[in-house]
Amino acid sequence: ETGVTQTPRHLVMGMTNKKSLKCEQHLGHNAMYWYKQSAKKPLELMFVYNFKEQTENNSVPSRFSPECPNSSHLFLHLHTLQPEDSALYLCASSQAGSGQPQHFGDGTRLSIL
Amino acid sequence: SQQGEEDPQALSIQEGENATMNCSYKTSINNLQWYRQNSGRGLVHLILIRSNEREKHSGRLRVTLDTSKKSSSLLITASRAADTASYFCATDALGDSWGKLQFGAGTQVVVTP
Repeated sequence: ETGVTQTPRHLVMGMTNKKSLKCEQHLGHNAMYWYKQSAKKPLELMFVYNFKEQTENNSVPSRFSPECPNSSHLFLHLHTLQPEDSALYLCASSQAGSGQPQHFGDGTRLSIL
Repeated sequence: SQQGEEDPQALSIQEGENATMNCSYKTSINNLQWYRQNSGRGLVHLILIRSNEREKHSGRLRVTLDTSKKSSSLLITASRAADTASYFCATDALGDSWGKLQFGAGTQVVVTP
């Protein structure tokens, strides 16, 4: 039990589909993160939310759209994705601020056909 | 941009042996963290070392930090098959108050019985 739950665990979608990834944390944290993990590459930070406000958008293409309705839930809305977007998408949460360990979900394995 | 770089990329050892991996980073930091990732799972926080600390222990883990060389090492003593995983260092840049982490590409460790 990691305290951070991601659904779905696997997703296969065509390039014209619209889907959403969901992340939920039960740890009382006030910061949430989306990362992209591709084979043989470092984790790429995509978005950061602190106290429900987006504080980071690392030049992520607009076909990825995050939503944080409250401090416990985080979504990543997907539309018109490209084959190179196939990856493991990881959600994490922490207390906001420096020196806080991040708690990760087990990710959504996304495959774009 | 990638901040941490782990070395070696892969390490294969036998049970009972020690495993050592290194991390180098480029800019000044508040702290450095190590994480473990088992295949198909999310990352798990192992240990955090602050910039004013030189060594830290947690169970069979020993972490060192040399800020003058911008490097850290993770030692796993008396390794077990269950230690088979990828290990990542992550840095928290000096002056960043939000706690954003930059990860390296990881060291893949295989422990054979």
